[in-house]
Amino acid sequence: QVQLVESGGGVVQPGGSLRLSCAASGFTFSHYGMHWVRQAPGKGLEWVAFIRYDGSNEYYADSVKGRFTISRDNSKNTLYLQMNSLRAEDTAVYYCAKDQMATTTTFFDYWGQGTLVTVSS
Amino acid sequence: EIVLTQSPGTLSLSPGERATLSCRASQSVSSSYLAWYQQKPGQAPRLLIYGASSRATGIPDRFSGSGSGTDFTLTISRLEPEDFAVYYCQQYGSSPPATFGGGTKVEIK
Repeated sequence: QVQLVESGGGVVQPGGSLRLSCAASGFTFSHYGMHWVRQAPGKGLEWVAFIRYDGSNEYYADSVKGRFTISRDNSKNTLYLQMNSLRAEDTAVYYCAKDQMATTTTFFDYWGQGTLVTVSS
Repeated sequence: EIVLTQSPGTLSLSPGERATLSCRASQSVSSSYLAWYQQKPGQAPRLLIYGASSRATGIPDRFSGSGSGTDFTLTISRLEPEDFAVYYCQQYGSSPPATFGGGTKVEIK
């Protein structure tokens, strides 16, 4: 069965950096686009970033553009999110999610359980 | 950017009742590229509906989606105890690539 397991969350000071990982199994990881979606405490869902199946293109929400970088290693079945210049408003649970397509953003058919990032001094 | 507005914010119903949730878009959603998700406390969202009306794998047939253009509806025909949760709509196929509505909480009356 499809499994997505996030790791790397924690507490970081404003202006700091963190790298999240998402280990995928149960499907052919290299065939699908992947996303990061976040949810601030008590709030709704916010799409963060998307990467195509082969890593050839990335797309970002305006709120994170220039600070966050999505990447993937298909040989390790792992998705990453490098987060720099973190702000208090980046505090959220970060989910990795699988797209049902390879090259375009559609809907999220599988989600990980999420990892909490807290930006606080 | 397409903004999705969900209503009502909270729906108070009893088990066995019918739930009707609305998702209205600020612009037409192309090709009915709209999905619905269910989220329970402490859990990740789960895909229910895609393409406005297609049920995802394993989703009971009491869940149905309808609509096109700017107005979409998720209907739960008879609420089961496990259906009390928050529901989100999401559009895809435009820029930015994905946006969510603010959610509707279905609570036990």
